[in-house]
Amino acid sequence: AQKVTQAQTEISVVEKEDVTLDCVYETRDTTYYLFWYKQPPSGELVFLIRRNSFDEQNEISGRYSWNFQKSTSSFNFTITASQVVDSAVYFCALSAVNYGGATNKLIFGTGTLLAVQP
Amino acid sequence: DTGVSQNPRHKITKRGQNVTFRCDPISEHNRLYWYRQTLGQGPEFLTYFQNEAQLEKSRLLSDRFSAERPKGSFSTLEIQRTEQGDSAMYLCASSLASTAYEQYFGPGTRLTVT
Repeated sequence: AQKVTQAQTEISVVEKEDVTLDCVYETRDTTYYLFWYKQPPSGELVFLIRRNSFDEQNEISGRYSWNFQKSTSSFNFTITASQVVDSAVYFCALSAVNYGGATNKLIFGTGTLLAVQP
Repeated sequence: DTGVSQNPRHKITKRGQNVTFRCDPISEHNRLYWYRQTLGQGPEFLTYFQNEAQLEKSRLLSDRFSAERPKGSFSTLEIQRTEQGDSAMYLCASSLASTAYEQYFGPGTRLTVT
């Protein structure tokens, strides 16, 4: 079975602090994708990143960075110098790699509510 | 903008009534997914279509729920005899079958059952 666990339900930081959102996943698939989505108060899911299970290189995009460690089944997300606009619910998700007939449904964690105080 | 659109954005209904939601995917996308998100939870998969064929349904999709995609374009999700537990955000996503991991989400329909 596939499962995504986001143990942090709420995090509150002050602007300019760094914050790391944890994600631990379970899957029996040898190839899979991992994702992070942002859901602001408006409700629409905003795609942030997709990672293939073959690629364990960390990635940085501006103030965002992601640390993928297959050995610990974790895909953590760090925001550097947080801003008020980063306040949102962040979801980690997992999907099987697409191959003949696979659903590719996304399995989401329960999300982490990040509140950045000015 | 040619993203995924959903209508209505908000729906308030009384328990026992039927409701129908519509999703218009990105035009060239042949896959369409429905997810449900209850308060404080992540979205959960309900069902998906490839063209007009409904290929998988979650056990969450009780017999009061029915989804269609008659011409392989837009899709409707109907809930009959709504219950308070149906109150949730219903999200639609679309993708190409060849890159089904790239799902583009719509803004969702928020259903409140009173």
